[in-house]
Amino acid sequence: NAGVMQNPRHLVRRRGQEARLRCSPMKGHSHVYWYRQLPEEGLKFMVYLQKENIIDESGMPKERFSAEFPKEGPSILRIQQVVRGDSAAYFCASSPAEVWTEAFFGQGTRLTVV
Amino acid sequence: KQEVTQIPAALSVPEGENLVLNCSFTDSAIYNLQWFRQDPGKGLTSLLLIQSSQREQTSGRLNASLDKSSGRSTLYIAASQPGDSATYLCAVRNSGNTPLVFGKGTRLSVIA
Repeated sequence: NAGVMQNPRHLVRRRGQEARLRCSPMKGHSHVYWYRQLPEEGLKFMVYLQKENIIDESGMPKERFSAEFPKEGPSILRIQQVVRGDSAAYFCASSPAEVWTEAFFGQGTRLTVV
Repeated sequence: KQEVTQIPAALSVPEGENLVLNCSFTDSAIYNLQWFRQDPGKGLTSLLLIQSSQREQTSGRLNASLDKSSGRSTLYIAASQPGDSATYLCAVRNSGNTPLVFGKGTRLSVIA
């Protein structure tokens, strides 16, 4: 049973471009959390999704950021018109149910905006 | 609003020492607390999970304790090794379906 898979592991984008980050949850898991880790900072919650639903997006910036978790396929975090301040590591974690016990994370996507 | 603080921010010890990492949280009504390890440029590895009804958990040379009433947890590492060098993150969950709230971590260096 593979763990949480994120790709790409590293992503370089020029200012103004779009970044698409993918998270494939563990098999049988239908809930996903996205977190962002800025340099020298702890992980900050961004968005919580269930398949085809956004449960809580209170941690996600209102502009340029969006997330989805379709019925089929990975969860996608999209950042439009990236700026240098978006450079960070983005992690996701998945769960089989609404009530979580232990959280398992993917290896993250490191976004660099040049 | 839950806030998690980890002290010290960085720690350097000689190999073989026993050491304690501290984590404190402002809202004691937690669901569980989890300790993670993060190597530079890597993801998070779950080390120990303590449910709110538990006082401690052990795995190998690691022991984590939880004192909910005082809002504290400690991670004890026995007989430290250079391979233990990493950043250790503490995170709490206030209920079963709410996000983890993370501290900024303690960066540990174990010198051979």
